[in-house]
Amino acid sequence: TQLLEQSPQFLSIQEGENLTVYCNSSSVFSSLQWYRQEPGEGPVLLVTVVTGGEVKKLKRLTFQFGDARKDSSLHITAAQPGDTGLYLCAGATGNQFYFGTGTSLTVIP
Amino acid sequence: NAGVTQTPKFRVLKTGQSMTLLCAQDMNHEYMYWYRQDPGMGLRLIHYSVGEGTTAKGEVPDGYNVSRLKKQNFLLGLESAAPSQTSVYFCASSYSKYEQYFGPGTRLTVT
Repeated sequence: TQLLEQSPQFLSIQEGENLTVYCNSSSVFSSLQWYRQEPGEGPVLLVTVVTGGEVKKLKRLTFQFGDARKDSSLHITAAQPGDTGLYLCAGATGNQFYFGTGTSLTVIP
Repeated sequence: NAGVTQTPKFRVLKTGQSMTLLCAQDMNHEYMYWYRQDPGMGLRLIHYSVGEGTTAKGEVPDGYNVSRLKKQNFLLGLESAAPSQTSVYFCASSYSKYEQYFGPGTRLTVT
């Protein structure tokens, strides 16, 4: 069962461009996290959003939780090569986390 | 602090062999999790624990067993390995339901 769908699956952009990654579900989550994973390493937490409609900013990254707490988006402004990686969203329900399939981002210098 | 550590980093098993993966955390976290990551599938929860002495099934528990005898350790066992269990296994821990801290992973190949 894949509760969370991420789009796009792959994204290759030039340095300086903006991008948005989407995380969608038909399920309601108590919280939603975004992680970034580098090759050969474990995911690293970027942000957690809890309240419907919540917007959080982390430097050039903006995260939004949908009003109904079923979806989220990650927007990166002026992407840099250091942003390259696999971006994962994860929704919490009860004591369990359900991960999206991931978005592989490549930023070309 | 070492954070979350996993042992071993790599392992190759033959079909039918057994093994145990060890996860250790030094952050005094109550919650611990075992995931597997396969291409195109994201991370899927195998088992989890909400405290010492407790375990519960996740999304894909079949073929795996776990134990949490000490708060800092969470063991994942494969009693009879199958090729379908070839994957990268990640352990994570947390002090709440709002974040997880992951280990570096164990790459397991079953031939």
